[in-house]
Amino acid sequence: EAGVAQSPRYKIIEKRQSVAFWCNPISGHATLYWYQQILGQGPKLLIQFQNNGVVDDSQLPKDRFSAERLKGVDSTLKIQPAKLEDSAVYLCASSLGGPYSNQPQHFGDGTRLSIL
Amino acid sequence: GDSVTQMEGPVTLSEEAFLTINCTYTATGYPSLFWYVQYPGEGLQLLLKATKADDKGSNKGFEATYRKETTSFHLEKGSVQVSDSAVYFCALRSPGAQKLVFGQGTRLTINP
Repeated sequence: EAGVAQSPRYKIIEKRQSVAFWCNPISGHATLYWYQQILGQGPKLLIQFQNNGVVDDSQLPKDRFSAERLKGVDSTLKIQPAKLEDSAVYLCASSLGGPYSNQPQHFGDGTRLSIL
Repeated sequence: GDSVTQMEGPVTLSEEAFLTINCTYTATGYPSLFWYVQYPGEGLQLLLKATKADDKGSNKGFEATYRKETTSFHLEKGSVQVSDSAVYFCALRSPGAQKLVFGQGTRLTINP
């Protein structure tokens, strides 16, 4: 089975520019997550989708970050404008079943974002 | 809120040495506990898990036991290999939630 696909793998931008990341979850996985992993720290959940609806976006900085999953399959995460502290790896994960099920999360390889 | 604390890294060992990476947690109720591994340039992979007290998760020679009395989930391996070099993350998931809460990670380097 194909894993979670993310692109691009690397992105370098200047502060105040905008950037977008793309994620294609494992086929059939209803729940999709975006995590931010700052260097030296563990991943932190930014947003969780169940199909095309948002389950949890409590830690998403909504003044600059946005995410969508319009058809309940792939998803995009956008940052506009970017700040230096947004330099991190952005991980996408997906899981089978509903938001409160016990299914494991499968992670993509991530997008490494560097802000100059 | 829920939190996970791991032992500070980096940890450097020789091949065939015994490994322990400490993990303690704070949570309400009875969370599920996980160890994830991240190899260079890759995403996180689930290594093992335990869903209730006294459960032992095991995989690839690694083990961890869910200890509710000490709120711990320490990772152990009897004889490490160079290929075990990676960053290891302890994580929890509270009952009724899907969100994972991660520790800060422990970088492990195994020298031949």
